[in-house]
Amino acid sequence: EAGVTQFPSHSVIEKGQTVTLRCDPISGHDNLYWYRRVMGKEIKFLLHFVKESKQDESGMPNNRFLAERTGGTYSTLKVQPAELEDSGVYFCASSQIMGDEQYFGPGTRLTVT
Amino acid sequence: QKEVEQDPGPLSVPEGAIVSLNCTYSNSAFQYFMWYRQYSRKGPELLMYTYSSGNKEDGRFTAQVDKSSKYISLFIRDSQPSDSATYLCAMSSNYGQNFVFGPGTRLSVLP
Repeated sequence: EAGVTQFPSHSVIEKGQTVTLRCDPISGHDNLYWYRRVMGKEIKFLLHFVKESKQDESGMPNNRFLAERTGGTYSTLKVQPAELEDSGVYFCASSQIMGDEQYFGPGTRLTVT
Repeated sequence: QKEVEQDPGPLSVPEGAIVSLNCTYSNSAFQYFMWYRQYSRKGPELLMYTYSSGNKEDGRFTAQVDKSSKYISLFIRDSQPSDSATYLCAMSSNYGQNFVFGPGTRLSVLP
């Protein structure tokens, strides 16, 4: 069974540009989570989808971040426009049932210059 | 004060040693406690998941939760070089929602 995959593995963009990160959860997992770890800080929750609906988006930092999960399969996280402080590693995780173990992807390392 | 505190290390131990990793927290509403292991350039991997106070054992790993002291621990017995990784604690007040992570402790087990 394939695990959670994320694309790209690394992205380098200039301040003001747009970047879209993609997460493919484990097949059949209704719950999809986004987290990020900025430089030197702990991993922080961003938001949680149940199928295509946003269950909890309390961790989204501001309106430059837009997450979507159309069709309830893969999810995208768009940052527009990117700022220097957005640099970090963005993780996606999925679980079959809320409360079950969350399986993490390898992360996308975003560098904003 | 951060919600979850964890000594970042690095912590170096010889192979076979017992390792003790700890987190303290400030939010008394936390009820669900997790320990993750993260290898370099990989995502976190769940090791232990406990509810409320008490102990839980799984192979060489034991998790302890002391809610009265707001203190959780992970013990690794007979540590192996393959245990070298960053260990993250995480906790939440609601089942399966909005985990709060500690910054992680980097562990090196030397052969």
